[in-house]
Amino acid sequence: NAGVTQTPKFQVLKTGQSMTLQCAQDMNHEYMSWYRQDPGMGLRLIHYSVGAGITDQGEVPNGYNVSRSTTEDFPLRLLSAAPSQTSVYFCASGGGSYEQYFGPGTRLTVT
Amino acid sequence: SQQGEEDPQALSIQEGENATMNCSYKTSINNLQWYRQNSGRGLVHLILIRSNEREKHSGRLRVTLDTSKKSSSLLITASRAADTASYFCATPRISSGSARQLTFGSGTQLTVLP
Repeated sequence: NAGVTQTPKFQVLKTGQSMTLQCAQDMNHEYMSWYRQDPGMGLRLIHYSVGAGITDQGEVPNGYNVSRSTTEDFPLRLLSAAPSQTSVYFCASGGGSYEQYFGPGTRLTVT
Repeated sequence: SQQGEEDPQALSIQEGENATMNCSYKTSINNLQWYRQNSGRGLVHLILIRSNEREKHSGRLRVTLDTSKKSSSLLITASRAADTASYFCATPRISSGSARQLTFGSGTQLTVLP
């Protein structure tokens, strides 16, 4: 199993551009989520999904959209990138237990 | 707002020594988890302790939970250079009805010197 995969690994955007961060998992997990990690800080929850067709907001949802059309995929869309969205983004999934499995992260810089 | 907070922020020890990290949280929880993050990588789950447990072991890891003090500790025994990483405690979000939505502290950066 590949676990949780994220693409791209690195991305540089100009202010105002939009893009989609991809996340996929092959563990048939119902629960998936997106976090951002800023320097010297822990992770903050952006959006989450408890199953296909169901999404909800986390702690810092502004400026981001998500959708969950399949169990496997949970893309994160930046609508109009801002320098404040420069961060490392992690996707995670979880099954029957509370344990979360994290992807390797996408390092995003907005200039 | 952050639910959990680790202490110390940074810890440097010699290989073979024990490392202890602490986590304090604010509200009632039904479980607490510890994760490790190697530099430039994603988080890896280490151990989960439930609110009705006081202590749990996994290999060289020992986790304690004191719900009366709202605190937890992670002990790594006989540390190795490969244990160098950031360690985070995670608890269910305060406003969330689901224990799967986690709040993380800012972490303890552990450096194990060979």
